[in-house]
Amino acid sequence: GAGVSQSPSNKVTEKGKDVELRCDPISGHTALYWYRQRLGQGLEFLIYFQGNSAPDKSGLPSDRFSAERTGESVSTLTIQRTQQEDSAVYLCASSRGTPGETQYFGPGTRLLVL
Amino acid sequence: AQSVTQPDIHITVSEGASLELRCNYSYGATPYLFWYVQSPGQGLQLLLKYFSGDTLVQGIKGFEAEFKRSQSSFNLRKPSVHWSDAAEYFCAVGAWGGSQGNLIFGKGTKLSVKP
Repeated sequence: GAGVSQSPSNKVTEKGKDVELRCDPISGHTALYWYRQRLGQGLEFLIYFQGNSAPDKSGLPSDRFSAERTGESVSTLTIQRTQQEDSAVYLCASSRGTPGETQYFGPGTRLLVL
Repeated sequence: AQSVTQPDIHITVSEGASLELRCNYSYGATPYLFWYVQSPGQGLQLLLKYFSGDTLVQGIKGFEAEFKRSQSSFNLRKPSVHWSDAAEYFCAVGAWGGSQGNLIFGKGTKLSVKP
């Protein structure tokens, strides 16, 4: 594909609701990453998928956060019972998966929890 | 644990002046190092990366960075800044090992350019 795409681009939700964020990686990229960027902050790693291996979930901040990926395609990040501190830009990236390969980032989903 | 420090939160330079953005890392092995730029309303774009070979790396848009192992640094430079370079710059180290494949990012340096 042309690049990493994410949807929706913006999401406003009420505290306590669940949200799903979607990422379409570049075709052929075996690795997919989710990061969170709070206002004025750097990127925090959330979760990493590599092919059919078990995902690295070490960055997920709480059990309200989960993510799935089917094969080497689309990934969905789900946040349950959203809290105001979940407000951030959620960025997805993909790469060919070997060390040193460039991670290509999507435009992000801006989440606002009221 | 791996970490990246960008000591300068905000830098202002005049258009045409030279630029150096600082980045220090902590990593137990030979690092993979990256600089990304994030323009307002835009996604992250890779400027350059280093993981072996020549310690002076050339990137896009006239940027370069030098890896100095003795100083654990990977500073980004540009000889003459353009107004369009105003953006936020992130340094990152690749945390490869075991199941990890993610990047560890610094908190970023915001660059403003004076006319």
